[in-house]
Amino acid sequence: DAKTTQPTSMDCAEGRAANLPCNHSTISGNEYVYWYRQIHSQGPQYIIHGLKNNETNEMASLIITEDRKSSTLILPHATLRDTAVYYCIVRDNFGNEKLTFGTGTRLTIIP
Amino acid sequence: GAGVSQTPSNKVTEKGKYVELRCDPISGHTALYWYRQSLGQGPEFLIYFQGTGAADDSGLPNDRFFAVRPEGSVSTLKIQRTERGDSAVYLCASSLSGGPDTQYFGPGTRLTVL
Repeated sequence: DAKTTQPTSMDCAEGRAANLPCNHSTISGNEYVYWYRQIHSQGPQYIIHGLKNNETNEMASLIITEDRKSSTLILPHATLRDTAVYYCIVRDNFGNEKLTFGTGTRLTIIP
Repeated sequence: GAGVSQTPSNKVTEKGKYVELRCDPISGHTALYWYRQSLGQGPEFLIYFQGTGAADDSGLPNDRFFAVRPEGSVSTLKIQRTERGDSAVYLCASSLSGGPDTQYFGPGTRLTVL
Protein backbone atom coordinates (compact mmCIF):
# COMPACT_ATOMS: atom_id res chain seq x y z
CA ASP A 1 0.00 0.00 0.00
CA ALA A 2 1.12 3.54 -0.69
CA LYS A 3 2.64 5.53 2.15
CA THR A 4 0.79 8.53 3.61
CA THR A 5 2.13 11.69 5.24
CA GLN A 6 0.10 13.71 7.74
CA PRO A 7 0.92 16.59 10.09
CA THR A 8 1.65 15.40 13.60
CA SER A 9 -0.87 17.71 15.26
CA MET A 10 -3.43 20.43 14.57
CA ASP A 11 -5.73 22.68 16.56
CA CYS A 12 -9.14 23.93 15.50
CA ALA A 13 -11.61 26.24 17.23
CA GLU A 14 -14.92 24.72 18.24
CA GLY A 15 -17.62 25.42 15.66
CA ARG A 16 -15.14 26.01 12.83
CA ALA A 17 -14.35 23.65 9.98
CA ALA A 18 -11.40 21.34 10.62
CA ASN A 19 -9.38 20.58 7.49
CA LEU A 20 -6.97 17.67 7.84
CA PRO A 21 -4.50 17.16 4.97
CA CYS A 22 -2.90 13.94 3.80
CA ASN A 23 -0.26 13.35 1.15
CA HIS A 24 -0.17 10.04 -0.73
CA SER A 25 1.96 10.83 -3.77
CA THR A 26 2.68 7.17 -4.61
CA ILE A 27 -0.97 6.10 -4.67
CA SER A 28 -1.84 3.70 -7.48
CA GLY A 29 -4.97 3.68 -9.60
CA ASN A 30 -6.82 0.97 -7.71
CA GLU A 31 -6.06 2.23 -4.19
CA TYR A 32 -8.72 3.89 -2.08
CA VAL A 33 -8.20 6.65 0.51
CA TYR A 34 -9.68 5.83 3.93
CA TRP A 35 -10.01 7.96 7.02
CA TYR A 36 -10.38 6.58 10.53
CA ARG A 37 -10.21 8.36 13.85
CA GLN A 38 -9.35 7.17 17.34
CA ILE A 39 -10.70 8.90 20.38
CA HIS A 40 -8.65 8.40 23.53
CA SER A 41 -8.92 4.86 24.96
CA GLN A 42 -11.24 3.67 22.20
CA GLY A 43 -10.79 1.59 19.06
CA PRO A 44 -10.48 3.29 15.68
CA GLN A 45 -13.75 4.50 14.11
CA TYR A 46 -14.39 4.55 10.36
CA ILE A 47 -15.16 8.02 8.97
CA ILE A 48 -15.20 7.96 5.18
CA HIS A 49 -13.43 6.63 2.10
CA GLY A 50 -13.14 7.42 -1.59
CA LEU A 51 -11.39 6.51 -4.82
CA LYS A 52 -11.27 9.67 -6.93
CA ASN A 53 -14.54 11.53 -6.49
CA ASN A 54 -15.23 13.76 -3.52
CA GLU A 55 -17.38 12.06 -0.90
CA THR A 56 -19.65 13.33 1.87
CA ASN A 57 -21.48 11.58 4.65
CA GLU A 58 -23.02 12.55 7.97
CA MET A 59 -19.62 12.77 9.63
CA ALA A 60 -17.34 14.47 7.14
CA SER A 61 -16.38 15.34 3.58
CA LEU A 62 -13.42 13.93 1.69
CA ILE A 63 -11.79 16.01 -1.02
CA ILE A 64 -9.34 14.16 -3.29
CA THR A 65 -7.18 16.15 -5.71
CA GLU A 66 -7.50 15.40 -9.38
CA ASP A 67 -4.06 13.75 -9.53
CA ARG A 68 -5.04 11.78 -6.37
CA LYS A 69 -1.72 12.56 -4.73
CA SER A 70 -3.32 14.26 -1.75
CA SER A 71 -6.63 14.55 0.05
CA THR A 72 -8.32 16.60 2.76
CA LEU A 73 -10.77 15.44 5.38
CA ILE A 74 -13.20 18.18 6.37
CA LEU A 75 -15.19 18.19 9.59
CA PRO A 76 -17.61 21.03 8.82
CA HIS A 77 -18.48 22.18 12.36
CA ALA A 78 -15.97 20.77 14.81
CA THR A 79 -17.09 19.96 18.35
CA LEU A 80 -15.08 19.03 21.42
CA ARG A 81 -16.00 15.38 20.80
CA ASP A 82 -14.05 15.51 17.54
CA THR A 83 -10.78 15.69 19.48
CA ALA A 84 -8.98 12.52 18.38
CA VAL A 85 -6.13 11.09 16.31
CA TYR A 86 -7.10 11.00 12.64
CA TYR A 87 -5.55 8.40 10.36
CA CYS A 88 -5.35 8.65 6.58
CA ILE A 89 -4.89 5.19 5.02
CA VAL A 90 -4.41 4.13 1.42
CA ARG A 91 -5.54 0.62 0.57
CA ASP A 92 -6.10 -1.64 -2.39
CA ASN A 93 -9.52 -3.05 -1.50
CA PHE A 94 -9.11 -6.31 -3.34
CA GLY A 95 -6.51 -8.84 -2.36
CA ASN A 96 -5.35 -6.83 0.63
CA GLU A 97 -7.39 -7.03 3.79
CA LYS A 98 -5.28 -5.14 6.27
CA LEU A 99 -5.40 -1.46 7.12
CA THR A 100 -1.92 0.07 7.39
CA PHE A 101 -2.05 2.88 9.94
CA GLY A 102 0.62 5.56 10.24
CA THR A 103 0.94 7.80 13.28
CA GLY A 104 -1.93 10.08 12.21
CA THR A 105 -2.77 13.68 13.08
CA ARG A 106 -3.70 14.55 16.64
CA LEU A 107 -6.57 17.05 16.26
CA THR A 108 -7.43 19.14 19.30
CA ILE A 109 -10.64 21.16 19.29
CA ILE A 110 -10.26 24.33 21.31
CA PRO A 111 -13.35 25.65 23.18
CA GLY B 1 -27.00 -3.44 17.67
CA ALA B 2 -24.02 -4.69 19.62
CA GLY B 3 -20.60 -3.76 18.36
CA VAL B 4 -17.34 -5.67 18.60
CA SER B 5 -16.57 -6.62 22.18
CA GLN B 6 -13.25 -7.67 23.69
CA THR B 7 -12.42 -9.26 27.00
CA PRO B 8 -10.74 -8.61 29.29
CA SER B 9 -10.43 -4.85 28.96
CA ASN B 10 -7.18 -4.97 30.91
CA LYS B 11 -4.78 -7.83 31.55
CA VAL B 12 -1.68 -7.70 33.70
CA THR B 13 0.63 -10.69 33.61
CA GLU B 14 4.17 -11.63 34.45
CA LYS B 15 6.94 -12.27 31.98
CA GLY B 16 6.88 -15.85 30.79
CA LYS B 17 3.18 -16.43 31.40
CA TYR B 18 0.54 -17.47 28.85
CA VAL B 19 -2.40 -15.18 28.04
CA GLU B 20 -5.58 -15.42 26.01
CA LEU B 21 -7.46 -12.43 24.65
CA ARG B 22 -11.04 -12.82 23.40
CA CYS B 23 -12.91 -11.05 20.61
CA ASP B 24 -16.65 -11.22 19.93
CA PRO B 25 -17.29 -9.80 16.46
CA ILE B 26 -20.49 -8.22 15.22
CA SER B 27 -23.04 -10.97 14.60
CA GLY B 28 -22.99 -12.17 11.01
CA HIS B 29 -19.57 -10.72 10.18
CA THR B 30 -17.43 -13.33 8.45
CA ALA B 31 -14.18 -11.34 8.47
CA LEU B 32 -12.23 -10.78 11.69
CA TYR B 33 -8.95 -8.94 12.23
CA TRP B 34 -6.46 -8.57 15.06
CA TYR B 35 -4.22 -5.51 15.38
CA ARG B 36 -1.71 -4.42 18.01
CA GLN B 37 -1.12 -0.81 19.07
CA SER B 38 1.94 0.32 20.99
CA LEU B 39 2.00 3.62 22.83
CA GLY B 40 2.11 6.60 20.46
CA GLN B 41 1.81 4.44 17.34
CA GLY B 42 -1.01 3.51 15.00
CA PRO B 43 -2.44 0.00 15.08
CA GLU B 44 -0.40 -2.72 13.34
CA PHE B 45 -2.02 -5.65 11.57
CA LEU B 46 -1.51 -9.10 13.05
CA ILE B 47 -3.89 -11.60 11.44
CA TYR B 48 -7.06 -11.84 9.36
CA PHE B 49 -9.71 -14.57 9.47
CA GLN B 50 -12.30 -15.29 6.82
CA GLY B 51 -14.73 -17.65 8.52
CA THR B 52 -12.80 -20.22 10.51
CA GLY B 53 -9.56 -19.99 8.58
CA ALA B 54 -6.64 -17.64 8.99
CA ALA B 55 -6.37 -16.12 5.51
CA ASP B 56 -3.41 -13.86 6.32
CA ASP B 57 -1.20 -14.24 9.38
CA SER B 58 1.72 -12.26 7.99
CA GLY B 59 1.61 -9.73 10.83
CA LEU B 60 2.14 -12.17 13.68
CA PRO B 61 5.57 -11.20 15.09
CA ASN B 62 6.78 -14.71 15.98
CA ASP B 63 5.62 -18.20 16.85
CA ARG B 64 4.67 -17.22 20.40
CA PHE B 65 1.56 -15.61 18.91
CA PHE B 66 -1.34 -17.73 17.71
CA ALA B 67 -5.02 -17.06 17.02
CA VAL B 68 -8.04 -19.27 16.47
CA ARG B 69 -11.63 -18.86 15.37
CA PRO B 70 -13.01 -22.42 15.56
CA GLU B 71 -16.66 -21.69 14.80
CA GLY B 72 -16.25 -18.66 12.60
CA SER B 73 -17.45 -16.24 15.24
CA VAL B 74 -15.52 -15.65 18.48
CA SER B 75 -11.75 -15.47 18.15
CA THR B 76 -9.01 -15.93 20.71
CA LEU B 77 -5.51 -14.48 20.43
CA LYS B 78 -3.04 -16.56 22.39
CA ILE B 79 0.41 -15.40 23.48
CA GLN B 80 2.89 -17.87 24.96
CA ARG B 81 5.89 -17.02 27.13
CA THR B 82 4.97 -13.35 27.24
CA GLU B 83 7.72 -10.74 27.10
CA ARG B 84 7.71 -7.14 28.30
CA GLY B 85 7.77 -6.03 24.66
CA ASP B 86 4.36 -7.65 24.16
CA SER B 87 2.79 -4.92 26.28
CA ALA B 88 0.34 -3.06 24.04
CA VAL B 89 -3.35 -2.60 23.28
CA TYR B 90 -4.67 -5.51 21.24
CA LEU B 91 -7.52 -4.47 18.97
CA CYS B 92 -10.03 -6.67 17.20
CA ALA B 93 -12.12 -5.62 14.22
CA SER B 94 -14.78 -7.32 12.12
CA SER B 95 -16.36 -6.63 8.75
CA LEU B 96 -19.33 -8.12 6.94
CA SER B 97 -17.44 -10.06 4.28
CA GLY B 98 -13.92 -8.64 4.16
CA GLY B 99 -12.56 -6.85 1.11
CA PRO B 100 -13.89 -3.29 0.84
CA ASP B 101 -16.37 -3.70 3.71
CA THR B 102 -15.88 -1.31 6.61
CA GLN B 103 -13.88 -2.67 9.52
CA TYR B 104 -15.52 -2.02 12.91
CA PHE B 105 -13.16 -2.02 15.86
CA GLY B 106 -13.64 -3.11 19.44
CA PRO B 107 -12.35 -1.11 22.43
CA GLY B 108 -9.23 -3.24 22.75
CA THR B 109 -7.51 -5.19 25.50
CA ARG B 110 -4.65 -3.45 27.25
CA LEU B 111 -1.97 -6.05 27.99
CA THR B 112 0.77 -5.23 30.47
CA VAL B 113 3.62 -7.68 30.93
CA LEU B 114 5.60 -7.02 34.11
